[in-house]
Amino acid sequence: RKEVEQDPGPFNVPEGATVAFNCTYSNSASQSFFWYRQDCRKEPKLLMSVYSSGNEDGRFTAQLNRASQYISLLIRDSKLSDSATYLCVVEMIKAAGNKLTFGGGTRVLVKP
Amino acid sequence: DGGITQSPKYLFRKEGQNVTLSCEQNLNHDAMYWYRQDPGQGLRLIYYSQIVNDFQKGDIAEGYSVSREKKESFPLTVTSAQKNPTAFYLCASSIEGGRYTEAFFGQGTRLTVV
Repeated sequence: RKEVEQDPGPFNVPEGATVAFNCTYSNSASQSFFWYRQDCRKEPKLLMSVYSSGNEDGRFTAQLNRASQYISLLIRDSKLSDSATYLCVVEMIKAAGNKLTFGGGTRVLVKP
Repeated sequence: DGGITQSPKYLFRKEGQNVTLSCEQNLNHDAMYWYRQDPGQGLRLIYYSQIVNDFQKGDIAEGYSVSREKKESFPLTVTSAQKNPTAFYLCASSIEGGRYTEAFFGQGTRLTVV
């Protein structure tokens, strides 16, 4: 089983609609969680961290469910510019240093 | 401007040759990472380093080597032992320690072995 798993998609979303997707992680000792965004043939960039209480940043809402070991990302009022691959990232803090493990990504396509 | 720089952006090599990918950062970050990304896949960790002169194997270290002689630099060598080296290689850095450490990525190097 992979450490971090995501539905690869693509999620085809009409402009203005809401889309949500999850990411599951296997290690219950994982400590920090993130969503990164990656545009085609570009480097990933941090979209938002995911805190235990859940957090919102504009049209984006992230949730963490430690009991079921998953995080989620919800995008409201989707824009064409939201088309990208969204990478789930789990952080483990170890003696040798922090280790970031990436999921395979969920591709989102927003269409007019 | 502070940032992380990878070079070259595109690299072509013949099979059986070693090749070294450059990664330099001026963010004063202690931690640096190398990831590999294959088409349609996520990122897989090759090596990471939290301090000068020390580094750790990631999940797919076989066929790769690194050095960390300076805080700013973390070059990756793809050796002839790497069976399938063609991929997109991403270098990242972050502040060491604590939780919720954001990783900053370079623009990547696309390596093609022919």
